[in-house]
Amino acid sequence: AQTVTQSQPEMSVQEAETVTLSCTYDTSESDYYLFWYKQPPSRQMILVIRQEAYKQQNATENRFSVNFQKAAKSFSLKISDSQLGDAAMYFCAYINTGTASKLTFGTGTRLQVTL
Amino acid sequence: EAQVTQNPRYLITVTGKKLTVTCSQNMNHEYMSWYRQDPGLGLRQIYYSMNVEVTDKGDVPEGYKVSRKEKRNFPLILESPSPNQTSLYFCASSFSVGSEQYFGPGTRLTVT
Repeated sequence: AQTVTQSQPEMSVQEAETVTLSCTYDTSESDYYLFWYKQPPSRQMILVIRQEAYKQQNATENRFSVNFQKAAKSFSLKISDSQLGDAAMYFCAYINTGTASKLTFGTGTRLQVTL
Repeated sequence: EAQVTQNPRYLITVTGKKLTVTCSQNMNHEYMSWYRQDPGLGLRQIYYSMNVEVTDKGDVPEGYKVSRKEKRNFPLILESPSPNQTSLYFCASSFSVGSEQYFGPGTRLTVT
């Protein structure tokens, strides 16, 4: 069974600085997708970034980028120029494209942004 | 507006009283799923559906039922709720397996 591990329950970053959230996963599949979702205090789940496993190029979305290391099964999220609005829970998630396409989430990292 | 709706948003009930949480999406998505969110455990998938009349168990299906009779609707049924099902529940849908999941606003369920 696939598992997703986020080893940092909480992180803190100063406004305008850069922070990296870590995520590792375990799978025997070769074709899958990885995601980072953000959950602000409103509880709404918002997609931050998505990575296709067969693409070697790391995904980027404005201030958000990933470091995807397929062999190491690592998928970290880098937030540059952190803003107060980035404060939230961040969840890493994995889904394979086979017949049993369960979406598996990590336990989350709570990010605080300080002035 | 493209959205996933869930009802009710908040529900307090008693042990054993059957309840249904509705979920509907207006984006013609194939894939729909239910999750529960508990502190320290993240989101765990309860059931998912890859198309009409096709459903499958997620990681925590015990005590829940689902059905997918229409593409847009994916209700979650608790036949006999118990206190350990007190949680925050999310419905989500996506165009396909690997595409972005659109989440509903969540349903806060308390079983006493």
